[in-house]
Amino acid sequence: EAQVTQNPRYLITVTGKKLTVTCSQNMNHEYMSWYRQDPGLGLRQIYYSMNVEVTDKGDVPEGYKVSRKEKRNFPLILESPSPNQTSLYFCASSLSWRTGTNTEAFFGQGTRLTVV
Amino acid sequence: GQNIDQPTEMTATEGAIVQINCTYQTSGFNGLFWYQQHAGEAPTFLSYNVLDGLEEKGRFSSFLSRSKGYSYLLLKELQMKDSASYLCAVDTGGFKTIFGAGTRLFVKA
Repeated sequence: EAQVTQNPRYLITVTGKKLTVTCSQNMNHEYMSWYRQDPGLGLRQIYYSMNVEVTDKGDVPEGYKVSRKEKRNFPLILESPSPNQTSLYFCASSLSWRTGTNTEAFFGQGTRLTVV
Repeated sequence: GQNIDQPTEMTATEGAIVQINCTYQTSGFNGLFWYQQHAGEAPTFLSYNVLDGLEEKGRFSSFLSRSKGYSYLLLKELQMKDSASYLCAVDTGGFKTIFGAGTRLFVKA
């Protein structure tokens, strides 16, 4: 089954304790991205990756890191989480970023993170 | 700046038709997406419009006017399961898609 898998689904952590949210897709998609979703603000892009070893900042990258060592995996790293990073996080993948190709995004099931 | 506006909430009756509007002002435009998101779940793709006009897909249709910076999603024969948030998103080119805050649709019996 074609899917994007995120783990964990729920996480409660303390301020400053490093954490990683994993994301994996089995569709051989080139493009992957991370979003956070907050009430009234919609989905905001954190980081994206056009292909292996190619990543760039989205609109709200502060406090986050990513890596793309393999095409299927795109983990999100919070080196020192703070309470303002409490949010619902979604990983998404698309076949390609190139204009004119199918850019429909497939989303993971989300990770609800609480930082206390 | 980048701006996408859609109503916060709408209510409609089962069996009726509802139109959810979206206006946008973005620095670039390749196309416009509509996604559906049920509470607590991931967004799922509904449509992608590149050219002006109406595209129909079953009970759902999406319209785009590039010159007016305007789109709408039309849902016909509403069902209770259509209660969800509907997200308008602009493919701005430059590897970015910008999402509106979403419209929560309540379908009542």
